[in-house]
Amino acid sequence: GAVVSQHPSRVICKSGTSVKIECRSLDFQATTMFWYRQFPKKSLMLMATSNEGSKATYEQGVEKDKFLINHASLTLSTLTVTSAHPEDSSFYICSASPTGQGYEQYFGPGTRLTVT
Amino acid sequence: KQEVTQIPAALSVPEGENLVLNCSFTDSAIYNLQWFRQDPGKGLTSLLLIQSSQREQTSGRLNASLDKSSGRSTLYIAASQPGDSATYLCAVGLYSSASKIIFGSGTRLSIRP
Repeated sequence: GAVVSQHPSRVICKSGTSVKIECRSLDFQATTMFWYRQFPKKSLMLMATSNEGSKATYEQGVEKDKFLINHASLTLSTLTVTSAHPEDSSFYICSASPTGQGYEQYFGPGTRLTVT
Repeated sequence: KQEVTQIPAALSVPEGENLVLNCSFTDSAIYNLQWFRQDPGKGLTSLLLIQSSQREQTSGRLNASLDKSSGRSTLYIAASQPGDSATYLCAVGLYSSASKIIFGSGTRLSIRP
């Protein structure tokens, strides 16, 4: 149980285009999901907290207009990188917190984004 | 502001050795502490989770301890194997912000056959 999937696992896009990454909780509902970014050989940095049915909460320094987050259902959150640039290339990982089960988080396998 | 530090950043030991990875955090008001494993280019695998009221957790050859008052946790790996080679991340869950996790910088572990 408690499986989180991400799609796609890898994506290459051209500068200036937008790319959407999906995060799904497969066997549980998640009112809250989280999006992290990881640079090579670095740790995970929390980008934003995604809440079902409401606006996401972004961490300081994260551009909300560039990284659009939508949490339209209890099992799906999406991160859209708008007008991508090479510096947006990174490993993006989501996590989901089961509704009503405290503060546990279950992590997705990550999405490798390369912007050329 | 909570900060999580892991020392050493990298470690290489011969197969069979017991080893300890260290994690320290600046604010003792944590909800829990978790150790993860990350293989290159992959996601996170949760290894052990210690609630704030607990002192340690064990799973197979792994043992994690937590000393909240001193802001420290250790991950002990017994009889290391080449398959243990990975990056190990320590992460603390915050009370002040429900579900928020702060990650350490990780320790890259290499076990030499």
